[in-house]
This record gives sequence, structure tokens and C-alpha cells, in this order.
Amino acid sequence: NAGVTQTPKFRILKIGQSMTLQCTQDMNHNYMYWYRQDPGMGLKLIYYSVGAGITDKGEVPNGYNVSRSTTEDFPLRLELAAPSQTSVYFCASSYSIAAHNYGYTFGSGTRLTVV
Amino acid sequence: SQKIEQNSEALNIQEGKTATLTCNYTNYSPAYLQWYRQDPGRGPVFLLLIRENEKEKRKERLKVTFDTTLKQSLFHITASQPADSATYLCAPTNNAGNMLTFGGGTRLMVKP
Repeated sequence: NAGVTQTPKFRILKIGQSMTLQCTQDMNHNYMYWYRQDPGMGLKLIYYSVGAGITDKGEVPNGYNVSRSTTEDFPLRLELAAPSQTSVYFCASSYSIAAHNYGYTFGSGTRLTVV
Repeated sequence: SQKIEQNSEALNIQEGKTATLTCNYTNYSPAYLQWYRQDPGRGPVFLLLIRENEKEKRKERLKVTFDTTLKQSLFHITASQPADSATYLCAPTNNAGNMLTFGGGTRLMVKP
């Protein structure tokens, strides 16, 4: 059972380039999330999805896009990378917390630097 | 706006003592509150979830309290060990339970 898998683990982008951060989960969770974590700061929600075909904005969505075509995959797209997007990105998944006494399962993160 | 406050200063304690971490929140009425552990370079790991109608929850050496009047949660680790050294994050959750908002975390250092 792999849990939540994120690729790549590290990436350096030049300003203005684009990339997709991949996230896959094998736990059949219906909810998936993307967070970013800046040094010494808490995690901020970028986008989330409550099921295939349904996505919604979180606290800091500007500069990012997502799609959810399957239950397993939730890629995060960065268009026109900016230095402010230098961060560690975490993908997470969960069942409905209201129905289960269990929290999120996080991936190991993607460390992105924009230069 | 919603605000979650955890002590940003590291908490240093001696092995065997009880560590107590605090999470305060304002402009928020969460239905649940979760605690996570995060080690350097890794994603957070879920520890405990407590509901608004529960005053206390325990799991092995961990205990969490949830006071909706004080708008505060306390996280206790009894008989602390050096392996407990990590950053601990609190995350109040909305009624749907599907959007966690994280505090900045408190770093715990347990010295042998």
C-alpha cells in the first residue's frame, strides 16, 4: 500500500516556465488536497477536490490550476512560475472526516525552487 | 479572519517529562480539531482527531483536550522520549471536516 505518492521530489524552474506536480493515491479516498508550506510557516491550502470532476479553490489558488479526472490522481499545474512559488508542496487525501475518525494522509512533498 | 496560534518558540523538555503544546484559535468554530506530527523534510503524519463534543481523547502516551469555550486545544505527550522530537501541528476543521487549516506548529525537543 503506497499511500500518497508525489513526483518529482525536487525541481528547479526558471521564471516563466510551467510544470505539473503529480499526485496519486491508492487508498480510494474521495477527498484530495494540495498545500504549500513556506519555511517556518504553516501549510496553506491551494486547491481541493471532493471527488472526480469536482475541484474548488483554497486559501492561495492564484497561479495554480488543478484537475481531477480520476479518483486516484490530482495533478497541480503551475503556469508562468514566479519566485513567490518557491515552496514545498504537499498533496494529501482523506475520506470524509465527518464519517471517519481519521485525518489526512500526506505525501512526502515536492520541493520547488523558482529562479 | 480565522487565526490559529501555536507557540512558535521551541519547547525543550527532559526525557521522561510531560510535554504540553497549546493551540489557540480565533474567529473560528471548528467541529473537529486534529493534531499532526511533522519531521524535517517529510509530510505531516496524522496523530489524533477530537470532535467538538468531546472534552478529551487519548491514544497511548498522547492526550488531546478541546475546550470550545476557551477556543483552545492542549496536546500532551507523557513520558516523553527523544524520538518524540518533531514539530507538532494543530488543525481545526470545518463542520464538513474537509478543509483543514493548519497552525504554524510548535517544535518539540526532548533531551536525554
